[in-house]
Amino acid sequence: DAKTTQPNSMESNEEEPVHLPCNHSTISGTDYIHWYRQLPSQGPEYVIHGLTSNVNNRMASLAIAEDRKSSTLILHRATLRDAAVYYCIESNSGGSNYKLTFGKGTLLTVNP
Amino acid sequence: GAVVSQHPSWVICKSGTSVKIECRSLDFQATTMFWYRQFPKQSLMLMATSNEGSKATYEQGVEKDKFLINHASLTLSTLTVTSAHPEDSSFYICSARGGRGNLHTQYFGPGTRLTVL
Repeated sequence: DAKTTQPNSMESNEEEPVHLPCNHSTISGTDYIHWYRQLPSQGPEYVIHGLTSNVNNRMASLAIAEDRKSSTLILHRATLRDAAVYYCIESNSGGSNYKLTFGKGTLLTVNP
Repeated sequence: GAVVSQHPSWVICKSGTSVKIECRSLDFQATTMFWYRQFPKQSLMLMATSNEGSKATYEQGVEKDKFLINHASLTLSTLTVTSAHPEDSSFYICSARGGRGNLHTQYFGPGTRLTVL
């Protein structure tokens, strides 16, 4: 079973920031936090990942709580193309038993 | 970013036939490839993990004799659904990791929609 909890759905307006929360209260010290998103009838797309420090890339920012029990994916200016299911996943560091377990994710709707 | 392709993008077959799906990493060598299945309005379910040159590791409840996985090279993995039945109709997605020294990220293919009549 997925070890993270996310809201089932969220709604935002175009060109406004979006903050997608994720709880991972049982995360271990070596587990990474990954975010992927999936558009309808497509494979998931990597968004961002982090361990302890906040991370930024061209797609989004990842804010990780100091106790690492929660994180927030930030889309700085939502566009219609950002409408998707967003998955927050914790996994180990990439060793032999590395794998991603997908939960139900958050369905983000972006209003024009 | 790294690109993963799948072929075919969709396939329709008769019950009892076998179907092969290819997954290729186009611009990197994938040390590990994964196969997922996704039913309508559900999340992705990991079926198996395969490392190049070795046998795949299947998740609990996935029949290894029905879903044959071959990872013959660092850029190609295949999933064969043997004796397909209507309940095998699903969206099959592969992913790969190992590109550009990044062991933390999986890159996903576009998926293959299988319909078994």
